Amino acid sequence: GENVEQHPSTLSVQEGDSAVIKCTYSDSASNYFPWYKQELGKRPQLIIDIRSNVGEKKDQRIAVTLNKTAKHFSLHITETQPEDSAVYFCAARALDNYGQNFVFGPGTRLSVLP
Amino acid sequence: AAGVIQSPRHLIKEKRETATLKCYPIPRHDTVYWYQQGPGQDPQFLISFYEKMQSDKGSIPDRFSAQQFSDYHSELNMSSLELGDSALYFCASSETSGSWADTQYFGPGTRLTVL
Repeated sequence: GENVEQHPSTLSVQEGDSAVIKCTYSDSASNYFPWYKQELGKRPQLIIDIRSNVGEKKDQRIAVTLNKTAKHFSLHITETQPEDSAVYFCAARALDNYGQNFVFGPGTRLSVLP
Repeated sequence: AAGVIQSPRHLIKEKRETATLKCYPIPRHDTVYWYQQGPGQDPQFLISFYEKMQSDKGSIPDRFSAQQFSDYHSELNMSSLELGDSALYFCASSETSGSWADTQYFGPGTRLTVL
């Protein structure tokens, strides 16, 4: 089955700097890669996603890149702000004969220091 | 827009009791997922249903069972509760569109406390 790894597990950056979180997946059939942000005490929220037919997607200060050959995808946050501090989860999804298989990475705790 | 509804939002049970959590997906969504998130832990996938059939199974204990009904709502049944079952249980739903995997929308969660 699918296995998703995520690095780093914790990340501290200065306000205004960029943050990059990387994930790798094992199942080449995976074709959808969402990123979730979970703030303390709240449920995970989808912040950006990418499908396997594109290599990069950007939404304001957030971007995601996908390398299907290498089976890795990354979240890029530019001009970080204190409110970006949260746990970020990547995930990979594939369709098989039984429906959808959705696997989370272990999460990255991002701290943006003022 | 309608979101995923979970009930109850909070539940307190004694050890060895039984609990039932309910999830009502977004209208027209045919896939439901259940996740368990313990204190300070990552969400763990439990089980999913597509068109009322189990589509994938994760780390769901044998004491737990779930099903999806004809109206696509789902119930997670938890028996012989243990202290370690205390967690936040999320439900998510999505609309399957054939060859594409689709965005999951999470519910607000049910916080289960086992005393």
